[in-house]
Amino acid sequence: GESVGLHLPTLSVQEGDNSIINCAYSNSASDYFIWYKQESGKGPQFIIDIRSNMDKRQGQRVTVLLNKTVKHLSLQIAATQPGDSAVYFCAEDRSAGGFKTIFGAGTRLFVKA
Amino acid sequence: GAGVSQSPRYKVAKRGQDVALRCDPISGHVSLFWYQQALGQGPEFLTYFQNEAQLDKSGLPSDRFFAERPEGSVSTLKIQRTQQEDSAVYLCASSPEYEKLFFGSGTQLSVL
Repeated sequence: GESVGLHLPTLSVQEGDNSIINCAYSNSASDYFIWYKQESGKGPQFIIDIRSNMDKRQGQRVTVLLNKTVKHLSLQIAATQPGDSAVYFCAEDRSAGGFKTIFGAGTRLFVKA
Repeated sequence: GAGVSQSPRYKVAKRGQDVALRCDPISGHVSLFWYQQALGQGPEFLTYFQNEAQLDKSGLPSDRFFAERPEGSVSTLKIQRTQQEDSAVYLCASSPEYEKLFFGSGTQLSVL
């Protein structure tokens, strides 16, 4: 599978600072990318998505950057809040050949008050 | 309901027992997915339905795992002769088209 290891990478930030979470995806044929947030005891929740014909997309306090050359995604969270503490997953999909979202390894974000 | 509903929330099974996990997707969502999430890992794809048709079951780990969606709405994931390695959270998600997934809270399965 695409997930790796039992120990999630961890990012610890101060409340109010900006957070950057990085992800490397595996399939050059992927053309749709999504970031999900998962809080303890809940299923993943959609944050923001981007298609391969774009390299940047902004939402409310979040920005996703896509670098297809090096197969890299990043999620930027502005003015991080305690409620942003969660595990963040990047996911990839291909619009051709069926619908099969594949999740990457997550990153645990801790926000210090 | 407003979101994806899964039941039971928790299931404890003795090794060798059969279990059935239910998913009620968001009304009108064509696509339905099952994922397996082990502790500390990301969700792993199991299977995908478009309406009642199971279009991809490549992620099912063995023939003990079976999923169905007979009327294109509610889906059931069945695991026969459960093993300890089946212990995980089983997540169901639905989607209106080829786009973002809406997840339920999952069923936490513990096999003793």
